Amino acid sequence: KNEVEQSPQNLTAQEGEFITINCSYSVGISALHWLQQHPGGGIVSLFMLSSGKKKHGRLIATINIQEKHSSLHITASHPRDSAVYICAVIQGGSEKLVFGKGMKLTVNP
Amino acid sequence: GAVVSQHPSRVICKSGTSVKIECRSLDFQATTMFWYRQFPKQSLMLMATSNEGSKATYEQGVEKDKFLINHASLTLSTLTVTSAHPEDSSFYICSAAPTPNADTQYFGPGTRLTVL
Repeated sequence: KNEVEQSPQNLTAQEGEFITINCSYSVGISALHWLQQHPGGGIVSLFMLSSGKKKHGRLIATINIQEKHSSLHITASHPRDSAVYICAVIQGGSEKLVFGKGMKLTVNP
Repeated sequence: GAVVSQHPSRVICKSGTSVKIECRSLDFQATTMFWYRQFPKQSLMLMATSNEGSKATYEQGVEKDKFLINHASLTLSTLTVTSAHPEDSSFYICSAAPTPNADTQYFGPGTRLTVL
């Protein structure tokens, strides 16, 4: 079993829809990252969370430490949001990121 | 925001040759740099962690003599794939951290290596 699990693996949505991407992890962590990888491969760090909730534009990330779960929400989705969204955690006491397999999001116009 | 560059973005080489990939932090000093490899439709896998002025720490299964890492300054790390083979074809991504832990990492755009 992977230490970081993401669901769903693929998601197709219509422009304007509210989207939720889930991440569950099985280890104690010091921080969790949400990353966005575009088709060309470049990675952008969206959020780094250790508790609570963060918001940036149309993106909201939440984390529940007790339940070992995080969600990334996209409001008013747009075709340019189409990308792979990757959840990654830093295990407590480690300096290394452990990555989920990512979720491919396609937003159709 | 912090910017990390990689060069080249794409490289095609013949089997048996060596390829050097550069990773630079453009507007901050990177205490630690990380090198990742990503095969198609797979997660990023950490290859090694490098700290300026010291030897890189390689993950299990990564050959240190094949993937040479040099972190010569606080803004530059290089990965050299020596005697490349087709199975080394992959997407290589670096990230740079301004502090010794990995809580904040800034990712480079990646380098697509194709070995013929």
